[in-house]
Amino acid sequence: DQQVKQNSPSLSVQEGRISILNCDYTNSMFDYFLWYKKYPAEGPTFLISISSIKDKNEDGRFTVFLNKSAKHLSLHIVPSQPGDSAVYFCAAIDQGGSEKLVFGKGTKLTVNP
Amino acid sequence: DTGVSQNPRHKITKRGQNVTFRCDPISEHNRLYWYRQTLGQGPEFLTYFQNEAQLEKSRLLSDRFSAERPKGSFSTLEIQRTEQGDSAMYLCASSFGSPLHFGNGTRLTVT
Repeated sequence: DQQVKQNSPSLSVQEGRISILNCDYTNSMFDYFLWYKKYPAEGPTFLISISSIKDKNEDGRFTVFLNKSAKHLSLHIVPSQPGDSAVYFCAAIDQGGSEKLVFGKGTKLTVNP
Repeated sequence: DTGVSQNPRHKITKRGQNVTFRCDPISEHNRLYWYRQTLGQGPEFLTYFQNEAQLEKSRLLSDRFSAERPKGSFSTLEIQRTEQGDSAMYLCASSFGSPLHFGNGTRLTVT
């Protein structure tokens, strides 16, 4: 059972435009959500997070939106840069329950110059 | 750099052999996690420690897998009698709260 779903395996955008990566989850107990970025041959690197008590969190070019009723979150990157090309993983955790992060399968973002 | 360190980076072994991986977490982090990632998948949780105590194990962790964290510092993950299905990237992460900080992984290839 895939509790965290990233239904787009890949996304291609032009440099300077907005990248929107989507994530859906099924476990209503998840209360903290994170996005990780992964380059080839490296481990995932933390990017941005959001608590379930918020609906938006910004950090520079990165913004995460959370829609709890829809069990959906999205990561917006504006403006997109070629160095943003990587695989992006959505992850979720039930902070009051199991201490494990549950990851989606990832979306490969390619930003074209 | 005081990030999470994993050794070796790559390991090629023959089916049936035992392998051991090491993870050195960020020094002040009390939690240490092991994840496994296969092609096209996200990282899958295997087990985690708080200090030296192993608090949770995934059903993915068969009897052939064992993890230790003596003295609450570095950790080892051993796979006995390796099978081709064990071929994957094994990721270690550490934290003190959130978020998890990952190492660059050990890529295991079982031939």
